Order: sequence, then C-alpha cells, then structure tokens
Amino acid sequence: NAGVTQTPKFRILKIGQSMTLQCTQDMNHNYMYWYRQDPGMGLKLIYYSVGAGITDKGEVPNGYNVSRSTTEDFPLRLELAAPSQTSVYFCASSYPTGTTTDTQYFGPGTRLTVL
Amino acid sequence: GENVEQHPSTLSVQEGDSAVIKCTYSDSASNYFPWYKQELGKGPQLIIDIRSNVGEKKDQRIAVTLNKTAKHFSLHITETQPEDSAVYFCAASKVTYKYIFGTGTRLKVLA
Repeated sequence: NAGVTQTPKFRILKIGQSMTLQCTQDMNHNYMYWYRQDPGMGLKLIYYSVGAGITDKGEVPNGYNVSRSTTEDFPLRLELAAPSQTSVYFCASSYPTGTTTDTQYFGPGTRLTVL
Repeated sequence: GENVEQHPSTLSVQEGDSAVIKCTYSDSASNYFPWYKQELGKGPQLIIDIRSNVGEKKDQRIAVTLNKTAKHFSLHITETQPEDSAVYFCAASKVTYKYIFGTGTRLKVLA
C-alpha cells in the first residue's frame, strides 16, 4: 500500500489564482481530513469527510472547498489564493474501528506559497 | 475552547540520554492521545498512542504515560539516538474527526 499520497509537493501561486491539492489513499479508509500547518503551530483542521458524498467544515474552512466523490480521493480547492493561505497542507485518513476515536494516517504534505 | 499545551518547544539532549515531552489537555472527555513524529519535509508519522483506560504504554525505547486526573500525558524516549531528532506532536481526541494538536517540540539529539 502507498498509504496517503498528495500532489503536488510544492506550489507557488499568485494572489487570486486557484488550484486543487490532490489527496488519494489506498487503505479503504472511510474518513479523510485536510489540515494546514503554519510555522510553530499545531495542525489545524480545514475540512473532513466521513465517506463519499459527505463533507463537513473543520476549524479553519474559510477560503477552501472540498469534494468527496470516491472513497479514495479527497481534493482540496483554493478558489482565490491569498497570502494567508501560505502554509503546508496535510491530508490524512482513518478507518472507523467502532471505537469513538481512530488513528489518523498522514500524507507527505504540499508546501504552498502565495505571493 | 479546547486546547492542548505542549512543552518544551525545543529540547536538546546528548545521545544516549532520555527525553521527555509533556502535554496538557483541557477537555476531560478526551479519550485518545496519539503522538506523532515529523521529520523534515515529511508528514507526521504515528509513533505511539494511548487510550484513557490505560495509564502507560511502552514500545521499545518509547513510552507514553497518562494522568487523567491532572489531564496530562507525556512522551518518554530512552537511549536517544541521532535519528530521533525530529518534531514531535501530541494530540488529544474524543471523536475520530477531531484531533486537537499541540504546537510541537523540536528534539535535537547531539552526537
């Protein structure tokens, strides 16, 4: 299994441009997540999905959109890039085991710079 | 609101010494506490976790302790090696989709 994969690894955007960060997992995990990581800070949840067709906002959703058409893929869309969105973005996934909490597995990240 | 405080923010130890990183959580309903290691340019990797029905868990040189009364948990690394150098994150959770992360500890193991 490749686990959680993300593309691209790096990207530079100009203010106002749009882009999609791709995330794919091959572990048949129902739950998927998008986080952002700013320097010296912990990870902040942007959006999450508990299954295909179901998404919900996390702590910092403004400026982002997501979709979940398949179990494997969970793309994150930035419509009008702003300098405040400069960050490292991580995708994660987990499998519901019947307990209230499950381990999340992370991808390698996408480093985004908005100039 | 819910938060997790993590200390110290940086930690330098000599190779072979022990390292301890501490986290305090605010939500007493939290019942799952994972620890992640993040190497430079990579995503966080789970290294150990503990649930609220257990007080301590060990995996070779790594151990985690949990004090539910005080609402804090700690990561212990013994016999540190240069490859242990990384940023370590703690998290607390009461539901699968909501992890509250600490701000990270940069551990440097000096050879």
